[in-house]
Amino acid sequence: QQQVKQSPQSLIVQKGGISIINCAYENTAFDYFPWYQQFPGKGPALLIAIRPDVSEKKEGRFTISFNKSAKQFSLHIMDSQPGDSATYFCAAGGDFGNEKLTFGTGTRLTIIP
Amino acid sequence: KAGVTQTPRYLIKTRGQQVTLSCSPISGHRSVSWYQQTPGQGLQFLFEYFSETQRNKGNFPGRFSGRQFSNSRSEMNVSTLELGDSALYLCASSPLLVRAGTQYFGPGTRLTVL
Repeated sequence: QQQVKQSPQSLIVQKGGISIINCAYENTAFDYFPWYQQFPGKGPALLIAIRPDVSEKKEGRFTISFNKSAKQFSLHIMDSQPGDSATYFCAAGGDFGNEKLTFGTGTRLTIIP
Repeated sequence: KAGVTQTPRYLIKTRGQQVTLSCSPISGHRSVSWYQQTPGQGLQFLFEYFSETQRNKGNFPGRFSGRQFSNSRSEMNVSTLELGDSALYLCASSPLLVRAGTQYFGPGTRLTVL
């Protein structure tokens, strides 16, 4: 009930291409869905987040698509750059009256020239 | 604003010892959460404190404990360390919101248990 499933585990994309990472959740009470980016040796940094009252949110090259009926959400990185190479985590939270986040298992993204 | 700070950044301990990690949240943030990150288990929620009270706890043994001070700074303690406790321990702070919102993570404390 608390799981967030993330795929793929690793992803290689050519520079300039579109990177797509998918997540699925089970708990319909979740109402906050952030994506975090983590570089080696650093803590996760918030990239973009969405609430279920919208189906899409875009910030620069990063877009979250949200499908409430399917309980799925995805991160699209347009015009992927080598500097985007990092591990990406989706997460879900907000249903417990506190700040707990349930994280996906992460996707290691590599952008090749 | 300064970000979330965690001290120490690196720590080496031996089995059976105990350890205390410290976290200073972003100024004005009153919620502090702790997570354990390992290659095998990913990011797992340990506990969350708000106004010096533990509001939620993850599925970790009682050897893991924490507390929050009146200035919102938080500490977590792990007693009787085991090899499997080797991990990156992350602290995240969040402003007071009615609904859960953005959490800002610190750089983490890398704990190695020998």
